[in-house]
This record gives sequence, C-alpha cells and structure tokens, in this order.
Amino acid sequence: AQTVTQSQPEMSVQEAETVTLSCTYDTSESDYYLFWYKQPPSRQMILVIRQEAYKQQNATENRFSVNFQKAAKSFSLKISDSQLGDAAMYFCAYRSLTTSGTYKYIFGTGTRLKVLA
Amino acid sequence: DVKVTQSSRYLVKRTGEKVFLECVQDMDHENMFWYRQDPGLGLRLIYFSYDVKMKEKGDIPEGYSVSREKKERFSLILESASTNQTSMYLCATRVQGYNQPQHFGDGTRLSIL
Repeated sequence: AQTVTQSQPEMSVQEAETVTLSCTYDTSESDYYLFWYKQPPSRQMILVIRQEAYKQQNATENRFSVNFQKAAKSFSLKISDSQLGDAAMYFCAYRSLTTSGTYKYIFGTGTRLKVLA
Repeated sequence: DVKVTQSSRYLVKRTGEKVFLECVQDMDHENMFWYRQDPGLGLRLIYFSYDVKMKEKGDIPEGYSVSREKKERFSLILESASTNQTSMYLCATRVQGYNQPQHFGDGTRLSIL
C-alpha cells in the first residue's frame, strides 16, 4: 500500500525568505501524480502544485516549486520570497489507482508553516 | 470556479444520534470524497463515490455510511454517533480524468457530546 510521510509537523520562515517542506512516499507504481495542498487557517483547502511522475522536469507555479526525486521517492515543496499569506497547513498527497479503476488520494499528516514578520 | 458546499460549518450532536453531513457540488464532477481531518493524522479517506449510486470504502469506513442518489450530492451518515467521531469532516470532488486534482469544501467541524 502507498504511504505518504511528512516528517516536519511545524516549520517557521522569515518573511521574504525561502523555506522547503519535505515529503516522502512509498509506492510500487511507476506512473502516478503527486500534489501539494494548502489549508489556510479556517479556510478551504486549495491546490498549490502538482507533479507527474513520468516528467523529469520539476513543476513550478510562481513562487512555489518542487524538487521531485523519483528514485529517492521524495517530493519537497520550496516556497520562495515567503509572504504572510503563505502561513497555512500544507499537505502532500499521492494519487493512487483503486480496484474500481478510479483514483483516490493518500495524504500526509501535514506541516504547519508559520511566517514571521 | 468549482463550488463545493458543505451543509454546516459547525455541528454539535449527542452520542447515539444518527447524523447526516451533506455535500453539494455545482460542476457535474463524477468523483466525490469524504475525509476526516484530525491533528497529527492528516486527512483520512472514509468513503468515496465514482458515480451516482456507486461507492467504495476508503481507509476508515467503520461507523460510517454514504449515499449518492444524485450526481451533485454526496451524504455522509454516522449511523450511531460516538465521541471518537468528533472531528473535522471535509468533502472533495474531482472530475474524472488522469491528472485532475480534488476540490474541497470548507469543512464541517462535528462535535459529539
């Protein structure tokens, strides 16, 4: 069974600095998707970035980028020029194929990011 | 934008009650999901539905059931609520497709007394 591990329960970063959130996963599949979701305090969970396993190029969305190391099964999120609005819980997720042929998502335990002014 | 609406933001019920949590989406998505979110445990999948009247157990289905009679609505049912079901419940939807992400509702914080 696939698992997703986020080993950092909490991280802090100074405003305008860069921070990296870690995520590792375990799978026997060769083709899959990985996601980072952001959940601001008392607000809706939203997609930050996604990565296809067969693409070697790391995904980038504005200040957010990933470091995808397929052999190491590592999928870290880098936030550059951190802003106060980046403060949130961040979840790493793995898309898994089910027996019915559809997809479900396996989430990590989350990393709470604090941004210091 | 996708709109996923959960019927209540906060809900307080008593042990033994039958509890219904409703989720409605406006984008004709085939897939719908129910998760519970607990500190230190992340999101855990309870049930999901890949089409009307079709459902599949997630990782923690015990004590829960679901209903999907119409495409836009996915209900989570706590048959006999217990205190260990106190949690944040999140509904998510997804259009069928290889690389499509999930879209989440605001969540329902359920307290069982």
